[in-house]
Amino acid sequence: GENVEQHPSTLSVQEGDSAVIKCTYSDSASNYFPWYKQELGKRPQLIIDIRSNVGEKKDQRIAVTLNKTAKHFSLHITETQPEDSAVYFCAVLSGSARQLTFGSGTQLTVLP
Amino acid sequence: DTAVSQTPKYLVTQMGNDKSIKCEQNLGHDTMYWYKQDSKKFLKIMFSYNNKELIINETVPNRFSPKSPDKAHLNLHINSLELGDSAVYFCASSPIHSVYNEQFFGPGTRLTVL
Repeated sequence: GENVEQHPSTLSVQEGDSAVIKCTYSDSASNYFPWYKQELGKRPQLIIDIRSNVGEKKDQRIAVTLNKTAKHFSLHITETQPEDSAVYFCAVLSGSARQLTFGSGTQLTVLP
Repeated sequence: DTAVSQTPKYLVTQMGNDKSIKCEQNLGHDTMYWYKQDSKKFLKIMFSYNNKELIINETVPNRFSPKSPDKAHLNLHINSLELGDSAVYFCASSPIHSVYNEQFFGPGTRLTVL
């Protein structure tokens, strides 16, 4: 089955700095890569996703890049704000299983 | 107007009991899921289900069973609860016509087994 690794597990940045979270996956047939944000005590919510025919996607302060050859993708958050503090999960949709496999999560803390 | 809802929000029960968690979605989606999030925040798929196919994660004990009375509901039944079942359980749904499987999560049910 699909194996998704996410790093780092915790990340602290100063307000206004950038944050980068990386994920690697094992199944070269995977074709969809969403990122979810989970605030404390809340549900995971989709913040951005990228499909296998695209190398980069941006939405205001967040962006995702995909390197299909190397089988890794990253979440970039610029100009971080305290409300960005949350656990971020990457996920991968395997071509055959049609199920999402989640990374282990990154606890992002933005220090004011 | 909640898209995906779950009840109850909290469930505290004794070992050995049988309990159910209900999930409803009003998005018109065809596929629903159950996830387990443990104390370390790992999110693991337990089941995915549409009206044609049930896919079970092979690591899920057979004490857990999904039941779908109709397309908008997928309930989770758990028999003979164990301490290790304590976790937050999330229901989710997605439109079957979406190749890319965007998923919308419910608010979660925190299950505590004493």
